[in-house]
Amino acid sequence: AQSVTQLDSQVPVFEEAPVELRCNYSSSVSVYLFWYVQYPNQGLQLLLKYLSGSTLVESINGFEAEFNKSQTSFHLRKPSVHISDTAEYFCAVTQQGGKLIFGQGTELSVKP
Amino acid sequence: GAVVSQHPSWVICKSGTSVKIECRSLDFQATTMFWYRQFPKKSLMLMATSNEGSKATYEQGVEKDKFLINHASLTLSTLTVTSAHPEDSSFYICSATGGRLNTEAFFGQGTRLTVV
Repeated sequence: AQSVTQLDSQVPVFEEAPVELRCNYSSSVSVYLFWYVQYPNQGLQLLLKYLSGSTLVESINGFEAEFNKSQTSFHLRKPSVHISDTAEYFCAVTQQGGKLIFGQGTELSVKP
Repeated sequence: GAVVSQHPSWVICKSGTSVKIECRSLDFQATTMFWYRQFPKKSLMLMATSNEGSKATYEQGVEKDKFLINHASLTLSTLTVTSAHPEDSSFYICSATGGRLNTEAFFGQGTRLTVV
């Protein structure tokens, strides 16, 4: 069985500061890894994904995540956050396409 | 990316009535659709997996007779909450995958259900 653990339920940071949202997973087989962002009362938007190849993946809005197989981690980072990055972030894994197992979510709160 | 449309975005219904939520894939054929439920400040809980033309597979603890799922075509799946009660109030989200897009799931906008 697969599981995902997001170690921080809330992460408050100041604007322009760096941030890391942690995600660890457990699985006995190879998985695909995702980060989603959710704004209030909205669905999920894909932020970035790791399917294969380079272990460092980047999004268009400055986020990046690195797949670390030995540590079974997929932490999300951004060197300088904006107020608009305030949202809920979910890490997820899937073994087969589509059926996602989600972490508990991390609420990122960016303060001016 | 592919587009999944969910309708309605919000609905208020009286206790005891039934509510239908639609999930449509607009530009790809969704062989598989997933329905999730999200409680406030909580993560997404998978309710069921539906494959086109087959009966849905429900996760443990989800009442099949309460949450009816139909996936009659490659672009539409519906979730019907039957005899709704206030405890069914929640945010319901669908996702879809299919064909060459089967390594990723695409999400609808979600439906906020409030039962009064």
